[in-house]
Amino acid sequence: DQQVKQNSPSLSVQEGRISILNCDYTNSMFDYFLWYKKYPAEGPTFLISISSIKDKNEDGRFTVFLNKSAKHLSLHIVPSQPGDSAVYFCAASGSNFGNEKLTFGTGTRLTIIP
Amino acid sequence: DVKVTQSSRYLVKRTGEKVFLECVQDMDHENMFWYRQDPGLGLRLIYFSYDVKMKEKGDIPEGYSVSREKKERFSLILESASTNQTSMYLCASRLQGTDTQYFGPGTRLTVL
Repeated sequence: DQQVKQNSPSLSVQEGRISILNCDYTNSMFDYFLWYKKYPAEGPTFLISISSIKDKNEDGRFTVFLNKSAKHLSLHIVPSQPGDSAVYFCAASGSNFGNEKLTFGTGTRLTIIP
Repeated sequence: DVKVTQSSRYLVKRTGEKVFLECVQDMDHENMFWYRQDPGLGLRLIYFSYDVKMKEKGDIPEGYSVSREKKERFSLILESASTNQTSMYLCASRLQGTDTQYFGPGTRLTVL
């Protein structure tokens, strides 16, 4: 049973426009969410996170929004740049105090078109 | 910066062979993890370790075992490799009490 779902396997966006990647979860015990970015032949790198006590977290061009009632989070990248082309994974944890494993989604491949 | 290294980037083995994948981190992290990444399935947790000599099964432990004799090193062992274990294997580490995991570059294992 996939507890964290990324329903779009791929997304193409024009350079300079906004990229919106979506993630849904089913487990109401999740209270901490992370986004990772992965280039081919490299390990995932941490991008941004959000705790369930917030509904928005921003870091430069990256913003994550959390809608707890809908069990939905999204990652906005604006403006999109060619270097943003990668696979993006969302992940969820049952605690923001550590000692919990992360549950990952299946990933969305983002392609930025120059 | 956290550095997580994996012993091989690419590995080709034959069915039935015993395979060792090594992971080393240099940041004194207590927690270490092994995942496999497959198309359409994302990252799935195989095993993790909260500290030296401790290990916990993840979501897909069948066919794998692990060893954590030293804090910096976490080994994944395929006792008898099978073709369905062909995959990208990713190791990660994490400081106890935090959520962010730091990943190594991955080992692409092909079992023929």
